[in-house]
This record gives sequence, structure tokens and C-alpha cells, in this order.
Amino acid sequence: GESVGLHLPTLSVQEGDNSIINCAYSNSASDYFIWYKQESGKGPQFIIDIRSNMDKRQGQRVTVLLNKTVKHLSLQIAATQPGDSAVYFCAENADNYGQNFVFGPGTRLSVLP
Amino acid sequence: DAGVIQSPRHEVTEMGQEVTLRCKPISGHNSLFWYRQTMMRGLELLIYFNNNVPIDDSGMPEDRFSAKMPNASFSTLKIQPSEPRDSAVYFCASSPNRDIGSGNTIYFGEGSWLTVV
Repeated sequence: GESVGLHLPTLSVQEGDNSIINCAYSNSASDYFIWYKQESGKGPQFIIDIRSNMDKRQGQRVTVLLNKTVKHLSLQIAATQPGDSAVYFCAENADNYGQNFVFGPGTRLSVLP
Repeated sequence: DAGVIQSPRHEVTEMGQEVTLRCKPISGHNSLFWYRQTMMRGLELLIYFNNNVPIDDSGMPEDRFSAKMPNASFSTLKIQPSEPRDSAVYFCASSPNRDIGSGNTIYFGEGSWLTVV
């Protein structure tokens, strides 16, 4: 579950298109997952979460999908806007007390005009 | 609603100097976390507290790093002596202490940007 940020994957999408950001997690025992958005110069901001007893959860313009079989998480952003440009991190809950999270390396989303 | 408050936002210091980073968690939150973010290693957990007690400090890189939480509304992360490789963004985060297993969202501060020259 250790993240190594040697380089940051980048996803470029056209404004108005849908974005899909993927994340592979490491611990099959993880039972809670969060997607964070980090804008330049700011701290990570909570977007949406999902528990392991669900495979899909929707928010405003965002949907998180969880596939426990292959330990894969995705974040879908509908009608991507310039304000969505940021680095997106997935985080997995790594112990039974829900207090310790391991973060993925992040994906940079660039929205093209 | 006040979020997690960190200070200083930016600090530039010389190698060998002591650095103290401060954090005020969200009121009512019982868990507090210190993370470090670098380009090479991403976000790493350094230490976390529950009800002011350190629970896991396995991420603290060396004895030069220490963290305290004297009360529910204040925590410090100290580096003494500082080295250039300590340059990073240090985030404090807090979380409510809900039932075990229910999942607790972590809320981050804006970070303290440390440069050691």
C-alpha cells in the first residue's frame, strides 16, 4: 500500500467530456475508500467515499465504482469543467479502526478548453 | 465552519535549525494526523493521535522528528535539527471518532510548505 510518486500519471480531457480516473489499491482487507481532490497550493479535499459493501456511489457530477475482485477503484466526473483540473488521490482504509489511510500516487487531471 | 488550521503556511529555514509546525484540528474531532507530501514519495503518514494519545508513529522518519498533542485542540510537529531532505509539504488532518469499522473521513489543512536550505 505504499505510494511512490516517481512521476504523476496525467489525464487530459476536453471541457464538457466525462473523465474517468483509475486507482488500484493494495490491501484486500481494506473496507473504506475515499477520493480526494488537491488543487495547486492547497490541501487534499474530500470528494466522495465508498464502503466495501457497495460497488457504486454517486454524488454531484461524480460517481465512484469499486471492484473488490480486482482491487480497483474509479472516479467518474461528468461534464468535466476547468475547475476540475487538479490532482486526484484515492485512499484506502488500512486498519479496522478506520483511522489509518494509505494514499495512491495520484493522477493529474488537465481540462482542455 | 473552520477547517483544520495549520501554521506557518510557508517556512524557509537553514539546515540545522529547529522547525516547529502547528495544527489546530476541527473542533470535536478526536483523531489527528500528520502527513508529509513530496514529489518522490507522495503522501506519507508520519504519525496519528487518537484522543491526544499517539497511536502509530511508525512513519516518523528519524529521531529528529517529534510530535506532541498536549490537548484536543493543538498539536505540533518538530524537526530538530532540520536537513535539506526534510523539505516538503506537511499536512495536518483530523477525523471524527465514530464507531469502529464505520469509516472515518479525514479532513486536511492547507499544509505547511517547508524549505530547508
